[in-house]
Amino acid sequence: QVQLVQSGAEVKQPGSSVRVSCNPSGGTFTTYGINWVRQAPGQGLEWMGGIIPILHTTNYAQQFQGRVTITADKSTSTAYMELSSLKSEDTALYYCARGDGRHPPGAGVFDVWGQGTMVTVSS
Amino acid sequence: QSVLTQPPSVSGALGQRVTISCTGSTSNIGAGYGGYWYQQLPGTAPKLLIYGNNNRPSGVPDRFSASRSGTSASLAITGLQAEDEADYFCQSYDSSLGEGVFGGGTKLTVL
Repeated sequence: QVQLVQSGAEVKQPGSSVRVSCNPSGGTFTTYGINWVRQAPGQGLEWMGGIIPILHTTNYAQQFQGRVTITADKSTSTAYMELSSLKSEDTALYYCARGDGRHPPGAGVFDVWGQGTMVTVSS
Repeated sequence: QSVLTQPPSVSGALGQRVTISCTGSTSNIGAGYGGYWYQQLPGTAPKLLIYGNNNRPSGVPDRFSASRSGTSASLAITGLQAEDEADYFCQSYDSSLGEGVFGGGTKLTVL
């Protein structure tokens, strides 16, 4: 059973950047996509963007355009989400979730989720 | 404001049946994208509950079922159990936005 393992919690200053990694233990990306979803404390789920590594295809939510960059290293089967110009409102749990590579990032079902990475933005 | 609209909360007694609605539009659920359903138990990551044509991943009991009609989707849970108390989210893809979209989530309380 593939699991997605994410990097550990981060505490960042406002205005800085954070990079979170996601690695499928026990497997590789193959034809799947990786999506990033965040959840602010006590709030709902918010899709940020995604990537299909084998196609080099990315797609980002308008809200995060220009601030988020999602990449994938196929040699290590690791996906990364970098969010820049951090604000206190970016304090949230960030999840990676496996998607169906036959659909654009954001479409299709997210069948495997990482454990989440807490990012705290505070001065 | 979420693109998909869910009631903030629902409740039901042990053994009862509850439904959770998810209202979208012609550019998401109405266009045939999703709606998929996820369960999030307190302090844990979301878990896929229902996908495709009312399909359940291995391990999800058949007490959970979903349907779709027009621009809406709904999740039904029969024989409510205490462990069903969780947040439930619907998900789709909006072709106008070109983005994945979630409902705001519904908190289920089992009485």
